[in-house]
Amino acid sequence: GAGVSQSPSNKVTEKGKDVELRCDPISGHTALYWYRQSLGQGLEFLIYFQGNSAPDKSGLPSDRFSAERTGGSVSTLTIQRTQQEDSAVYLCASSLFWGEMNTEAFFGQGTRLTVV
Amino acid sequence: QKEVEQNSGPLSVPEGAIASLNCTYSDRGSQSFFWYRQYSGKSPELIMFIYSNGDKEDGRFTAQLNKASQYVSLLIRDSQPSDSATYLCAVKEAGTALIFGKGTTLSVSS
Repeated sequence: GAGVSQSPSNKVTEKGKDVELRCDPISGHTALYWYRQSLGQGLEFLIYFQGNSAPDKSGLPSDRFSAERTGGSVSTLTIQRTQQEDSAVYLCASSLFWGEMNTEAFFGQGTRLTVV
Repeated sequence: QKEVEQNSGPLSVPEGAIASLNCTYSDRGSQSFFWYRQYSGKSPELIMFIYSNGDKEDGRFTAQLNKASQYVSLLIRDSQPSDSATYLCAVKEAGTALIFGKGTTLSVSS
């Protein structure tokens, strides 16, 4: 596709269940970011993938959160044993990387996660 | 801990006025600076990026960067009601994550 694609758009899950959120970046973009945005709040950085380098996981809020990126393309964010405070919009973005610089990041439409 | 600070606002300006949005950052190694606009319920979209000290103009928008002062700003000339949104400043150092400020809410009244 032409843009960053995220699925599902909306997810309602019961507390304690595991969820998987998917991000399909723009073709050729080597950098991929996951952010979380709670209602009325800013973008909280979660994890950053850049090519074949080890991902920057410094933003993951707990060990219940993990993410992987297969084949340098599609990424999956997994939240285990979901809690109500995990309810938020999860945004994925991707960008090109050339020289030592990243170009601008393009965002997907987000996944709205609601934990009941 | 890298930090990007923005005044949360709201910043209210009348239609046709200049809106000035400011951002400071903590990491002196930062190399790339971005301004995004986010409408309520939508994803952020890029307005401008700037890499070098000085001003960069694009239509009604001007980004200003002062690396010595660790300061980046966005000016919106001839503000329109459609400019009402949250403006997010983002900062990046090579090889590291793109870090966002919490955003400034702009309201343009007609």
